[in-house]
Order: sequence, then structure tokens, then C-alpha cells
Amino acid sequence: DAGVIQSPRHEVTEMGQEVTLRCKPISGHDYLFWYRQTMMRGLELLIYFNNNVPIDDSGMPEDRFSAKMPNASFSTLKIQPSEPRDSAVYFCASSLGTGEGYTFGSGTRLTVV
Amino acid sequence: AQTVTQSQPEMSVQEAETVTLSCTYDTSESDYYLFWYKQPPSRQMILVIRQEAYKQQNATENRFSVNFQKAAKSFSLKISDSQLGDAAMYFCAYRGTGAGSYQLTFGKGTKLSVIP
Repeated sequence: DAGVIQSPRHEVTEMGQEVTLRCKPISGHDYLFWYRQTMMRGLELLIYFNNNVPIDDSGMPEDRFSAKMPNASFSTLKIQPSEPRDSAVYFCASSLGTGEGYTFGSGTRLTVV
Repeated sequence: AQTVTQSQPEMSVQEAETVTLSCTYDTSESDYYLFWYKQPPSRQMILVIRQEAYKQQNATENRFSVNFQKAAKSFSLKISDSQLGDAAMYFCAYRGTGAGSYQLTFGKGTKLSVIP
């Protein structure tokens, strides 16, 4: 298995632009999570899905953030419009069931200038 | 809400020696899972070890072992025979089993340096 695949690995964009991050979970995993990592706040859960359905989006910082999971093999996290304070590493992770650890993707480092 | 606390922002160990990283957590659940993740400079998050709360036996994975004290809500990681490749950030994490609590809650991390 290729693991959790995220793209792009790095993204630099100008303030006000739309940014879309992509994730392909491990086949057969029924949970998908989006996390954000910053030096100040550590790893924060943004949203998670179970069987493609959003379960908890209470961590999404504001309406500028949205996430979708149109099918079991693909998810997106969109920021529109982006702001410099959105600069962070964004991780996608998936798991099978509720007792297992996550498998993380390699993350997307987003820089908004 | 569950919280995870790692009280050691940084630690160092001599190569081939043993080091213990501390973690405490707060929860009202009786059944849950605990994890240690390693994040090297490559930023990849790597699962090191997993412990099920209902199992009294401490988990072990090669040079990595845990000391799980359920009553004290403590979950420390011991690394034996430390190697240069063990240098990384280490995160302790909690995952519940109740409905709506399936996300991982992470501590702030401990940066481990290995001295040759």
C-alpha cells in the first residue's frame, strides 16, 4: 500500500488566493482526519469523516475553511480566501476503525505571503 | 474534554543510553487508547507504539516500551539503546472509544536529541 497520499507537498500562495489541499486515504480505511500543525498551537484537529460523512468540524477555524470527501478515496481541504495566519503544515490521516492509530500523510506545508 | 500533557519540551540522551519521555492525560472514560508518535525532521508522523487501556500489560516494540499507569493517568515512553536516528519530536496521543471521541488528541511534544 502506498500509504496516505497528500498533495501538494509545498504550497506558496498570495494572501486572498484560494488554496486546495488534497488527500488520498489508505484503501479500506473508514476514518479520515485533517490536522493542522503550527509551532504555537501544536497539532489541532480540523475535521474528521467517517464513511465519507463529516462527523466533527468544530475545529475548522472559520468559514474560510471547508472540507469535502466525495468518495472513499479522496478528500479536499479548501481555504478561500487564504491569509498569512493560515501558514502551517496540514496533515491528512486515515484509520481503520476506532482502536487503531492513524496513518499520516507526509503533510502539505502551506505558506501564505 | 480530554487533555494530554507532555511536561518535557526538550530532552537529550547519549547514544546507546536509555531515556524516558513523560506523558500524562486527563479523561473520564474507562476505555481508550494511547499512542506515541515520532516526527523526525522530514515531518512524517510515525506511529511508534500503541497501548490499549484495558490491557494491564505494558506494550513493547523492539527498543521502545511504555510504562502505563492507568490510575495515575500516566503513559511514559522508554527508549533503550538510543540511536542517532531516534532524534525527533515525540508526541503522546489519546484516542477515546465513546461516540464522537474518535479523534486523536495530542500533547505538545518533546524534542529528543541524541548525543554521539
